[in-house]
Amino acid sequence: GAVVSQHPSRVICKSGTSVKIECRSLDFQATTMFWYRQFPKQSLMLMATSNEGSKATYEQGVEKDKFLINHASLTLSTLTVTSAHPEDSSFYICSARAMRGTEAFFGQGTRLTVV
Amino acid sequence: QQQVKQSPQSLIVQKGGISIINCAYENTAFDYFPWYQQFPGKGPALLIAIRPDVSEKKEGRFTISFNKSAKQFSLHIMDSQPGDSATYFCAASIGNYGQNFVFGPGTRLSVLP
Repeated sequence: GAVVSQHPSRVICKSGTSVKIECRSLDFQATTMFWYRQFPKQSLMLMATSNEGSKATYEQGVEKDKFLINHASLTLSTLTVTSAHPEDSSFYICSARAMRGTEAFFGQGTRLTVV
Repeated sequence: QQQVKQSPQSLIVQKGGISIINCAYENTAFDYFPWYQQFPGKGPALLIAIRPDVSEKKEGRFTISFNKSAKQFSLHIMDSQPGDSATYFCAASIGNYGQNFVFGPGTRLSVLP
């Protein structure tokens, strides 16, 4: 299947700082990318959907000013967690869908720990 | 109505046995039902998926059974192996693949050697 790569796979940051997570589609052009959050032993919760060149659509309850999403190209979307706090510690996963609306492929996830 | 229910929460199966995970949904607009496999610290990987126009789909040891009238679908893993030990998520979506996924809460499968 297609490859979606996230970077970094793990990150530790201090409370109050910002951290950026990258999601790249390596072998296809992704018009739509999705960002999920997963707490330990829980399911994936969709945070936002981003279409290339457009503003992201956030799910209810997700602070758009705190979780900044940029989808500037067909192969890259970024999630920036601003002014991170310990409660933002979680596993963040992106997925990407190719232009022709085929399967969505998931990245390997990023473990964020805010200390 | 957007919720997808999944059971059991955890499952222990002997090697060679059959693992069965069940999911149920309410929203009849859902028309795509994938199953994902997730290993610890990794992102989910698509295992198998079905659309409501068929009642069963089989890929290798993995089979989805779909009951449209009951709004239920299940994953059967035949000849379960220790390497199958992972968390399995069912999901449902409306429209094109990969949009607006609603995930079930997950089932942690342990296959004993």
